[in-house]
Amino acid sequence: QSALTQPASVSGSPGQSITISCTGTSRDVSAYNYVSWYQHHPGKAPKLIIYAVTSRPSGVSHRFSGSKSGNTASLTISGLQAEDEADYYCSSYTSTDTLVVFGGGTKVTVL
Amino acid sequence: QVQLQESGPGLVKPSQTLSLTCSVSGVSISNGDYYWNWIRHHPGEALEWIGYRYYTGDTYYNPSLKSRVSISVDTSKNQFSLRMTSVTAADTAIYYCARSYSGSSTFGYWGQGTLVTVSS
Repeated sequence: QSALTQPASVSGSPGQSITISCTGTSRDVSAYNYVSWYQHHPGKAPKLIIYAVTSRPSGVSHRFSGSKSGNTASLTISGLQAEDEADYYCSSYTSTDTLVVFGGGTKVTVL
Repeated sequence: QVQLQESGPGLVKPSQTLSLTCSVSGVSISNGDYYWNWIRHHPGEALEWIGYRYYTGDTYYNPSLKSRVSISVDTSKNQFSLRMTSVTAADTAIYYCARSYSGSSTFGYWGQGTLVTVSS
């Protein structure tokens, strides 16, 4: 299966904004508004933070925002905090028989 | 509060069958609004969706694993299970159970994951 492409790591200082990219293809990211983002602190359950490209579930901080342009989706974390240090994964619905495809994950480090 | 928790052997021998169970609390597994999914993660690689089961018994599996996997449900225990046959070292991964809305590719709730190692 073809995975979505994410940078391996992104870092920023407290208070800064960072953006994580998620690049797909015409069969997934660019074709559908079904991109989701998950935050994962190792050893804990992954947490949904963005769905349908830009929507936030109830209780998720407004510091997390999503967007999409062409075949690349993005997650922006504004006002970076120490608690944001985690792994972040994107996913998208895909027109292939796999139905859903994930990214390889991005490790966010708060300096 | 919805919670999912995986359980099962952490070590499986090559060629044997991997069996994992996901215990669900806070919602009935018979609720027609949701699919019950298994996802795995080989460290350093992308997450891989394994498949889902719906309360009607409908299932859908990743084509790359379809010949070896099955997902079943025990409504009396509010659990669903994964069975994967003929495992190899390539099946060593962290296995997660997760809930999605029916017809959706978004996973709203996940378990913490359980590491399964395939080794003799």
